[in-house]
Amino acid sequence: EAGVAQSPRYKIIEKRQSVAFWCNPISGHATLYWYQQILGQGPKLLIQFQNNGVVDDSQLPKDRFSAERLKGVDSTLKIQPAKLEDSAVYLCASSLGLADTDTQYFGPGTRLTVL
Amino acid sequence: GNSVTQMEGPVTLSEEAFLTINCTYTATGYPSLFWYVQYPGEGLQLLLKATKADDKGSNKGFEATYRKETTSFHLEKGSVQVSDSAVYFCALSLGRGNEKLTFGTGTRLTIIP
Repeated sequence: EAGVAQSPRYKIIEKRQSVAFWCNPISGHATLYWYQQILGQGPKLLIQFQNNGVVDDSQLPKDRFSAERLKGVDSTLKIQPAKLEDSAVYLCASSLGLADTDTQYFGPGTRLTVL
Repeated sequence: GNSVTQMEGPVTLSEEAFLTINCTYTATGYPSLFWYVQYPGEGLQLLLKATKADDKGSNKGFEATYRKETTSFHLEKGSVQVSDSAVYFCALSLGRGNEKLTFGTGTRLTIIP
């Protein structure tokens, strides 16, 4: 079974530029998560989708971050404009979405460096 | 709010030593508890979990018991191997429409031969 796919794996941009990350979850997984992991910290949820609807985006900085999952499958996370403090690893995870104890499966992450 | 506090690292042990990584939590309600592991160059993967008080999660020789009275979920292994070198994250989830994981800061474990 293929795992969660993310691209690109690495991205370096200047501050105030825009960037987009892509995630393709495990086939059949209804729930998709984006987490931000700053160096030395644990991952923090940015947004959770159930199919193509948003369940939780309370910690998404909506003035600069946006995310979509239009067809309920793959998802894109965008940052516009980027700030230095956005340097982090962006993790995508997915789960079946059938039970509240479903295992979340993580992708390899996208490491973003903002200069 | 909900939070997870983990033993600070890094932790360095000799092969075959006993391992304990402490984890305590604060949560409203009754969370499920998890240990995730990140091996060098790889993504986060679930190591074990426990969904209610007194449950014991186990996998690959690792164990952790959900202790409601001490709000703890300490990770243990009786005899570590070099291949256990990784970063370990304790996490909780409240479930019931709030499935997001709240993570601790992670503990880097290095096992030397």
